[in-house]
This record gives sequence, structure tokens and C-alpha cells, in this order.
Amino acid sequence: DTGVSQNPRHKITKRGQNVTFRCDPISEHNRLYWYRQTLGQGPEFLTYFQNEAQLEKSRLLSDRFSAERPKGSFSTLEIQRTEQGDSAMYLCASSPWGFGDRDTEAFFGQGTRLTVV
Amino acid sequence: AQKVTQAQTEISVVEKEDVTLDCVYETRDTTYYLFWYKQPPSGELVFLIRRNSFDEQNEISGRYSWNFQKSTSSFNFTITASQVVDSAVYFCALSDRTGNQFYFGTGTSLTVIP
Repeated sequence: DTGVSQNPRHKITKRGQNVTFRCDPISEHNRLYWYRQTLGQGPEFLTYFQNEAQLEKSRLLSDRFSAERPKGSFSTLEIQRTEQGDSAMYLCASSPWGFGDRDTEAFFGQGTRLTVV
Repeated sequence: AQKVTQAQTEISVVEKEDVTLDCVYETRDTTYYLFWYKQPPSGELVFLIRRNSFDEQNEISGRYSWNFQKSTSSFNFTITASQVVDSAVYFCALSDRTGNQFYFGTGTSLTVIP
């Protein structure tokens, strides 16, 4: 298993454009999380999926943000009409949570760094 | 509400020194999980350890050790004989029993000087 994979690694876009990021979790992990991290801060929760169902969304996730996880495998995070404040590292994580008390940690990808100019 | 505080923003040590990274958490839950992650310059968060709230045994893994004390709501991380490769940002995190969210501290940036 190669771990959590995120694409692209870097994205520079003009303000007002739409962007889409992809996350491929560790296979058979039922949970997938999206986090956002700005410089000097810890990751902040955006949303998570249990298989294909999006079960929780943060207030940080404005209506310009949408996430999907069709078929409970890979996930996409789309940001419409990007703003300069959207510039951040977007991290994806997956977890086998629920398979046993031991399986509670989340494994993170390397992130997609978004710069809105 | 869940909250994690890492009061140390930046720490610098000379190689081979021991260093302790502090983590204090707040939760009203009786069942919860604590984590430490390492974030090297490449950006990926690397999982180091998980502790559940019912297991207060300290843990040692090579040069790493963790001290969990429920009485002070702390989960501190010690690196013994630090090495340059330990230079990174370290995050402490907390989740409740559902695992719906992980709450991260603001991180401690560790620099090990050769």
C-alpha cells in the first residue's frame, strides 16, 4: 500500500477560478477526512466521509466548497470562485476507524498547496 | 468542546540533547483518543502514536517516549538524544470516541542544531 495520495501537489490559480483536488485513500479505509492548514497553524477540520456518505461538515466549509466520495473510494474537493483567503494546504486523511479499538489513527497525504493570486 | 494547546511555538536544541514537547488538552468526554504527528518540511503528517483515555501507561519507542497524565490533562512527548532528522513541526491531536474530527494544536517547531 502506498499510503494516501493527493493530486496535484501544488496549484496556483487566479482569483475567481474553480479548482478541484483529488485524494486517493488507503484502500479499504472506510473514513476519509479533508483538513485545511494555513501557515503556522494546525490542521483544521473541513469534512469527513464514512464510505460514500458525507457525515459531517465544518462551518469553515462555505457553500463555495463541495466534496464528494463516489463509491466510497477516492474523493474530490472543489472550490468555486476561489478567493485569496482560500490559499492554504489542503490535507486528506483516511482511517480504518471502527474496525477495532486499535484502528483509530488517521493517515495523512502530503497535501495540495493552493495559492490564489 | 475539544481543545488542544501546545504552548511551545518553537524549540531549538543541540544534537544529542533531550527535548520534551508539551501538550495539554481539554475535553468533557470520558472516552477519547490522543495522538502525536510529525510534519517534516515535505508537508506530510506522519503518525507517531495513539493513546486512548483508559490507558495511562507511558510508552517508549526507541528514542521517543510519551507521558500521559489524565490528572493534568497532559500528553507530553520526549525525544532522547535528539538528531537533526528530528527537526520538524510536531502536532498533538485529540478526538472523541466517534473519531468524527481530530482537533489539532498549533504545533511545536523543533530545530535540532548539529
